[in-house]
Amino acid sequence: GEDVEQSLFLSVREGDSSVINCTYTDSSSTYLYWYKQEPGAGLQLLTYIFSNMDMKQDQRLTVLLNKKDKHLSLRIADTQTGDSAIYFCAEDGGGADGLTFGKGTHLIIQP
Amino acid sequence: DTGVSQDPRHKITKRGQNVTFRCDPISEHNRLYWYRQTLGQGPEFLTYFQNEAQLEKSRLLSDRFSAERPKGSFSTLEIQRTEQGDSAMYLCASGGVGEKLFFGSGTQLSVL
Repeated sequence: GEDVEQSLFLSVREGDSSVINCTYTDSSSTYLYWYKQEPGAGLQLLTYIFSNMDMKQDQRLTVLLNKKDKHLSLRIADTQTGDSAIYFCAEDGGGADGLTFGKGTHLIIQP
Repeated sequence: DTGVSQDPRHKITKRGQNVTFRCDPISEHNRLYWYRQTLGQGPEFLTYFQNEAQLEKSRLLSDRFSAERPKGSFSTLEIQRTEQGDSAMYLCASGGVGEKLFFGSGTQLSVL
């Protein structure tokens, strides 16, 4: 079946760049997403990339997609304390079961 | 309407009771999904509606769970005879055909 893998934790210093990585198995993925979840809250769509693109930039966020290796990354420039959250990678294979999520990466910001 | 709404935000119930959650999707979104998220995990698919038709159900959805979307707009998810293992965040998402999904804030269920 489809699978999405992420590292569980990432610790960075405030002001540095954060790079969160994700691998997936479904080669028929149409969209790939990054969601942010703060404690007790729902999922906030951060950004997404269509599968025929290899890069997307949106202010401090840069998404890179290597479709050959099925690898997706999210770079957050100038990481701030407000970026502290769990970041979920998700892929949409276009099937009736919607998105398949990774287990999330906890981004920890050190002062 | 600018987003997916879910009600209630929190529900505390005793084991064995029935609970019902509601989701109001973004207007004109014909796709509607229910997901469940437990602590330390990503959301897991439960069921999918296209308009009023329930087209897919996960094996996670036991016979105690039932979902409806009677007019192709709002949806309800009912859990009968709740168990402690049902405690989780229940998330609803909606989207147009071939478009990205938007999630609601979820309903946090605690079964005592």
